[in-house]
Amino acid sequence: DTGVSQNPRHKITKRGQNVTFRCDPISEHNRLYWYRQTLGQGPEFLTYFQNEAQLEKSRLLSDRFSAERPKGSFSTLEIQRTEQGDSAMYLCASTPRTGELFFGEGSRLTVL
Amino acid sequence: QQQVKQSPQSLIVQKGGISIINCAYENTAFDYFPWYQQFPGKGPALLIAIRPDVSEKKEGRFTISFNKSAKQFSLHIMDSQPGDSATYFCAASNQGGSEKLVFGKGTKLTVNP
Repeated sequence: DTGVSQNPRHKITKRGQNVTFRCDPISEHNRLYWYRQTLGQGPEFLTYFQNEAQLEKSRLLSDRFSAERPKGSFSTLEIQRTEQGDSAMYLCASTPRTGELFFGEGSRLTVL
Repeated sequence: QQQVKQSPQSLIVQKGGISIINCAYENTAFDYFPWYQQFPGKGPALLIAIRPDVSEKKEGRFTISFNKSAKQFSLHIMDSQPGDSATYFCAASNQGGSEKLVFGKGTKLTVNP
């Protein structure tokens, strides 16, 4: 089963450090989304790509956040100078344009 | 501004009972309304979805009821089972646009044996 793969599954870091998460979407899905989910809340949209182009960014995505999708394949989400408020589950999803988003199992970030 | 409002926040039902979760949306451009199921430590998974050209969709024990004029939709789980215990999220998107999903805050369902 080649679903959406996210790594690492869990990252613990100290405040001020940089972290990077990787997402490998389902092959042939040209749209890829990043969401953030905090405890007890629904996923919140961060950004999405169509192939390698980043088409929309949420206001939640501060200047410390950057996302890339080189060559329209895997994507990375980098958070610079992490803050405790960045602690959350970062979810990646891809879609074959049928409406259904296929989510990965997420990367949980804990900032100490 | 919360575009999709979900209730209740938590729900406890007995095995065999009916679970009902409600959602209301504001953006009339939304034209796709899915429900996602999430177990602890897992990503959300699509359960069932509806488009506004129908008022009801049923898949097994799961039914979505949709009221376009009221801008409301609901999930009904018939014959609820302990294995259905999870968090359920309603969502909405504009399929003609970015297709990004806007989620409700979730309902934690507990089905007691």
